[in-house]
Amino acid sequence: NAGVTQTPKFRVLKTGQSMTLLCAQDMNHEYMYWYRQDPGMGLRLIHYSVGEGTTAKGEVPDGYNVSRLKKQNFLLGLESAAPSQTSVYFCASSYSGIRGEQYFGPGTRLTVT
Amino acid sequence: GENVEQHPSTLSVQEGDSAVIKCTYSDSASNYFPWYKQELGKRPQLIIDIRSNVGEKKDQRIAVTLNKTAKHFSLHITETQPEDSAVYFCAAITVRDDKIIFGKGTRLHILP
Repeated sequence: NAGVTQTPKFRVLKTGQSMTLLCAQDMNHEYMYWYRQDPGMGLRLIHYSVGEGTTAKGEVPDGYNVSRLKKQNFLLGLESAAPSQTSVYFCASSYSGIRGEQYFGPGTRLTVT
Repeated sequence: GENVEQHPSTLSVQEGDSAVIKCTYSDSASNYFPWYKQELGKRPQLIIDIRSNVGEKKDQRIAVTLNKTAKHFSLHITETQPEDSAVYFCAAITVRDDKIIFGKGTRLHILP
């Protein structure tokens, strides 16, 4: 099992460009999450999904959109990137909801210039 | 909204000594408290968790205590080893609202 994977690993964007980050999990987990990690700020939840076809806002959703068309995939989109979105993005999934262990992907380092 | 304060931000201990990291939370409805360990350049991994109906939980050298009245919980690592060097994050989860808030992290250095 690959667990949770993320694509790409690194990306540099110019301000105003758009991109999509892909998260995939092969553990048949219902819940999936997108976090951003900034120095000294810990992990902050952007959006999450409780199952295929569902999405919900987390702590810092502005400037991001998500989609969960297939149970195994959770996409994070930036429509018009801003320097404030420079961060490391982690995807995670869990089997038994938000009270269960979250399995994290390896992260995507995004720089917006 | 929920706020989770984590202290200290940096902690250095001699190998073999104990380390304690503390977190406080503000939402009395929070009922699940996991701790994650993140080694340099790697992904966070769950090391221990505690539910609100339990006061203490141990797993070998790691223990977590919870004081619901005071709204704080702590991670205790005994007989520290070099591989314990990492950033540790606490989190408070409110299952009713699907809400999770992480602390800002503690960088633990184990000194030889």
